[in-house]
Amino acid sequence: GNSVTQMEGPVTLSEEAFLTINCTYTATGYPSLFWYVQYPGEGLQLLLKATKADDKGSNKGFEATYRKETTSFHLEKGSVQVSDSAVYFCALEYGNNRLAFGKGNQVVVIP
Amino acid sequence: DTEVTQTPKHLVMGMTNKKSLKCEQHMGHRAMYWYKQKAKKPPELMFVYSYEKLSINESVPSRFSPECPNSSLLNLHLHALQPEDSALYLCASSQGGTRINEKLFFGSGTQLSVL
Repeated sequence: GNSVTQMEGPVTLSEEAFLTINCTYTATGYPSLFWYVQYPGEGLQLLLKATKADDKGSNKGFEATYRKETTSFHLEKGSVQVSDSAVYFCALEYGNNRLAFGKGNQVVVIP
Repeated sequence: DTEVTQTPKHLVMGMTNKKSLKCEQHMGHRAMYWYKQKAKKPPELMFVYSYEKLSINESVPSRFSPECPNSSLLNLHLHALQPEDSALYLCASSQGGTRINEKLFFGSGTQLSVL
């Protein structure tokens, strides 16, 4: 089936540290891949996306590359800020109008 | 206007009550969605309307009844809910009618508590 797996557990790191959140997927075909971010008390916002293999999505200093050979779409940011504290969801598109979300990772950035 | 507006933000209801959640967007989007999100979990798709027609019902119990009166509005009517239905209900919209490899815009949600 179509599914997304994110690394377990919250991520706690210091300001200006390097952030990586792993995401791997299982899918038929070549779905579009997304990272969504959810700040406390809010809905989800699209952070970045990639629609085909080797595409790199980027936004607000975050990047993720669509890797077909490793079925991965890991999220990275070189220097995090306190304002990046949020929950991050990896997702893939399947069927019509359907997104499969990963379980999400809580990121806490400490000043 | 790039917002999806949901009302109310918070709702407490008893198991015998009837209430409605409302969602509005003025971006000209032709697909609108209801998601349910439990605490510390990812959103789960409930319904999708495409061009004002119900295109996806993810086997949602009939105590949840969606309605799309026009292309800008989406309602979710609630009746005889159970405490386990307590969750954050998110509305979303997207431009296209069939595929979502473009941006989904989410509202801030309605936090529902069923007593």
